[in-house]
Amino acid sequence: DAGITQSPRHKVTETGTPVTLRCHQTENHRYMYWYRQDPGHGLRLIHYSYGVKDTDKGEVSDGYSVSRSKTEDFLLTLESATSSQTSVYFCAISDDQGAQEGETQYFGPGTRLLVL
Amino acid sequence: GEDVEQSLFLSVREGDSSVINCTYTDSSSTYLYWYKQEPGAGLQLLTYIFSNMDMKQDQRLTVLLNKKDKHLSLRIADTQTGDSAIYFCADTGGGNKLTFGTGTQLKVEL
Repeated sequence: DAGITQSPRHKVTETGTPVTLRCHQTENHRYMYWYRQDPGHGLRLIHYSYGVKDTDKGEVSDGYSVSRSKTEDFLLTLESATSSQTSVYFCAISDDQGAQEGETQYFGPGTRLLVL
Repeated sequence: GEDVEQSLFLSVREGDSSVINCTYTDSSSTYLYWYKQEPGAGLQLLTYIFSNMDMKQDQRLTVLLNKKDKHLSLRIADTQTGDSAIYFCADTGGGNKLTFGTGTQLKVEL
């Protein structure tokens, strides 16, 4: 596996509380992504980052914010968790590797979040 | 927006070939990918194909791309029980962003 870790791996929280998930990489890759995985939807992009302090919204960004103060860390915050945010969250990384590799993304192990 | 579709389930017998299909809508896709997800794990890159190729073979895996019909397939030869997983196709229609299909759950029966 590429050097990607996610913490925590499992979390149970209550509606209305803030939650922060962390993604850490040791590959020095430029791009980092947060996805959520839900049955029947595959993976959907929440936010992504193309460098330190450079982030942009994905397909399902409402209710989420991100921060990237260092190359190796990308934080996802649920500002006020709702039951609809119960999901499995994956972090991914990629780099500019040229024509042979494309924009291949490598994934972390995931965080299972349950919002009660 | 970009759409990537896959059938949800496929069941095969051990030793047979599996063919997982995917259709996509973005004709500007540069690369198309196949990822494998085992239970409780993240996504593992299986293979990818550049959009100017028709076929790519990698050991038991064969990827076919029909760009005219926007159809991608993954063939797994001599399917084993360890191949049981969810398989996702994805394309790079949005630059460094991937659009994923819903995933195909492959079940390999003895």
